[in-house]
Amino acid sequence: DVKVTQSSRYLVKRTGEKVFLECVQDMDHENMFWYRQDPGLGLRLIYFSYDVKMKEKGDIPEGYSVSREKKERFSLILESASTNQTSMYLCASSVGGMNTEAFFGQGTRLTVV
Amino acid sequence: LAKTTQPISMDSYEGQEVNITCSHNNIATNDYITWYQQFPSQGPRFIIQGYKTKVTNEVASLFIPADRKSSTLSLPRVSLSDTAVYYCLVGVVGSQGNLIFGKGTKLSVKP
Repeated sequence: DVKVTQSSRYLVKRTGEKVFLECVQDMDHENMFWYRQDPGLGLRLIYFSYDVKMKEKGDIPEGYSVSREKKERFSLILESASTNQTSMYLCASSVGGMNTEAFFGQGTRLTVV
Repeated sequence: LAKTTQPISMDSYEGQEVNITCSHNNIATNDYITWYQQFPSQGPRFIIQGYKTKVTNEVASLFIPADRKSSTLSLPRVSLSDTAVYYCLVGVVGSQGNLIFGKGTKLSVKP
């Protein structure tokens, strides 16, 4: 089974802190994604990556950056956390090509106080 | 990626067949249609994917008319455990693609 693992299930950080959310996949997938999910807004794409060191902005990249130094790992960085970044963050990976099946991690519920 | 429109919510009873329709009027030739299911506090899970006509797996069926401007996810004989949010996506995830989710349809199955 494909496994997408997010480093933390719950996280509490202070305003202004630099926050790292880590995601690792074990299926050698080309594509990796970061989403945030808020009530009533569905899943919104923050960034995605289609190869090592490659990244593309999604719908809401402001306030976030990403890093993909190795194929299996995709990190989401909140440079200076703010309370409006309190959310559920979901990482996903997919094999690429014509296949649209993506595999999601369990999510990280981040609270910024 | 083509934009999708689906109902915000639906109610059903155990044992009924549920059909959730998604509109995607500007679907492109190379786009596939994919449905995901999400339970509370979990990440979405792939259910089914299709390009045209009908696709069936152990979980659901996907009906796509000839013009491909809409699609219908069919869940046979739903149970309480099918209560979830269902997302319709249209597009191609290639080496430089992405997955765009809408707000989904919240299905509530009642006893």
